[in-house]
Amino acid sequence: QLHLQESGPGLVKPPETLSLTCTVSGDSISSRDHYWGWVRQSPGRGLEWIGKIHYIGSTYYNPSLKSRVTISVDTSKSQYYLRLTSATAADTAVYYCARLVGCSGGSCRFADWGQGTLVTVSS
Amino acid sequence: QSVLTQPPSMSGAPGQRVTISCTGTSSNIGAGYAVNWYQQLPGTAPKLLIYANNNRPSGVPDRFSGSKSGTSASLAITGLQTDDEADYFCQCFDSSLTDSWVFGGGTRLTVL
Repeated sequence: QLHLQESGPGLVKPPETLSLTCTVSGDSISSRDHYWGWVRQSPGRGLEWIGKIHYIGSTYYNPSLKSRVTISVDTSKSQYYLRLTSATAADTAVYYCARLVGCSGGSCRFADWGQGTLVTVSS
Repeated sequence: QSVLTQPPSMSGAPGQRVTISCTGTSSNIGAGYAVNWYQQLPGTAPKLLIYANNNRPSGVPDRFSGSKSGTSASLAITGLQTDDEADYFCQCFDSSLTDSWVFGGGTRLTVL
């Protein structure tokens, strides 16, 4: 059974970089059929898709965050990563990693989710 | 303000049927992109409930069903149970300036 686990600092000082890791177990991160993504949730912004990556390294980012976001993958560790630069209080949220499936013609669905990790951006 | 519009809250009594709406535009639901629905129980991550408009993942009871028409989609829950008390979100791809996967603002369902 697939398990996704987020990890990383729970507190980030502005304008430092927010960095998170998602560890994948129970399925191969190198699956051709799946993408691996990040979603965040905050009271003010609701659920917001951040970006996704395929194991070969191709990425796709939310245009509203694209200038500050980098998602990368390390297949040898079954992990993928989120970096969000110049963090502000507006980036305070619960961050989820998720597996995306059925990504044809734009119709991805977020089939599996990690438990989420709260990241607070505050000095 | 979310690209997909949902009622903020709804309620129903045990055993009743409720329908949650998700209104989009011609750049998302109306463009033919699949609508997915998620259930988020208090303190947990969202869980995929309906995918590709009207399909249930394995393990989801058939009390849950989805439909789509024009620029809107709906999630119906029949035989309402207390365990159904949760937040429900719709999600779709949007091909406008956002060009990304977008979520509705969520509907909090209370079972009276």
